[in-house]
Amino acid sequence: DAKTTQPNSMESNEEEPVHLPCNHSTISGTDYIHWYRQLPSQGPEYVIHGLTSNVNNRMASLAIAEDRKSSTLILHRATLRDAAVYYCILRDVRQAGTALIFGKGTTLSVSS
Amino acid sequence: DGGITQSPKYLFRKEGQNVTLSCEQNLNHDAMYWYRQDPGQGLRLIYYSQIVNDFQKGDIAEGYSVSREKKESFPLTVTSAQKNPTAFYLCASSTDRGVINEQFFGPGTRLTVL
Repeated sequence: DAKTTQPNSMESNEEEPVHLPCNHSTISGTDYIHWYRQLPSQGPEYVIHGLTSNVNNRMASLAIAEDRKSSTLILHRATLRDAAVYYCILRDVRQAGTALIFGKGTTLSVSS
Repeated sequence: DGGITQSPKYLFRKEGQNVTLSCEQNLNHDAMYWYRQDPGQGLRLIYYSQIVNDFQKGDIAEGYSVSREKKESFPLTVTSAQKNPTAFYLCASSTDRGVINEQFFGPGTRLTVL
């Protein structure tokens, strides 16, 4: 799986939007962009994934650059419960059933 | 409800003892995984299994062993050969088909060696 680069930490205020960036300059045509997040003392949970087009779900939005070398996870209105470590992971669609490769992720702090 | 259970949540062990961590899933997933997480770090893969009676080593398999006798169970044994076993251990499962291939994680077991 190709590598990703994320900032170590970010801060936000409650009710404000949060944009979490991820660089993946070596992404291949068969790599999907996945985001997981890990709340304190819990296992990670799936957030969203995409290939080329921007994606929305109930948790977040994913904006993917036209050249696919970067993407941004968008939390539209941060809450205190969104404080977590966010991981950007590339998954080759041909490798279903193999493990995820986690980096250190971005630690998001949310203040009231 | 479908999901993954890990037990116990906290585990204390004396140095030199083997200990087995339980992981059970009722999601009918073929693939199961064990990860280790140290403070401030991402997850590292210990072992994974894509089918019953078969498993592969991950990046940090030394000092660990697993078995996969049943589809729903994937226990991890931390042996005395593991030099620094104190860590947070996470079990996950996924289907081996489809684009999303979302991994579902258990709540984790925090192992402390005294």
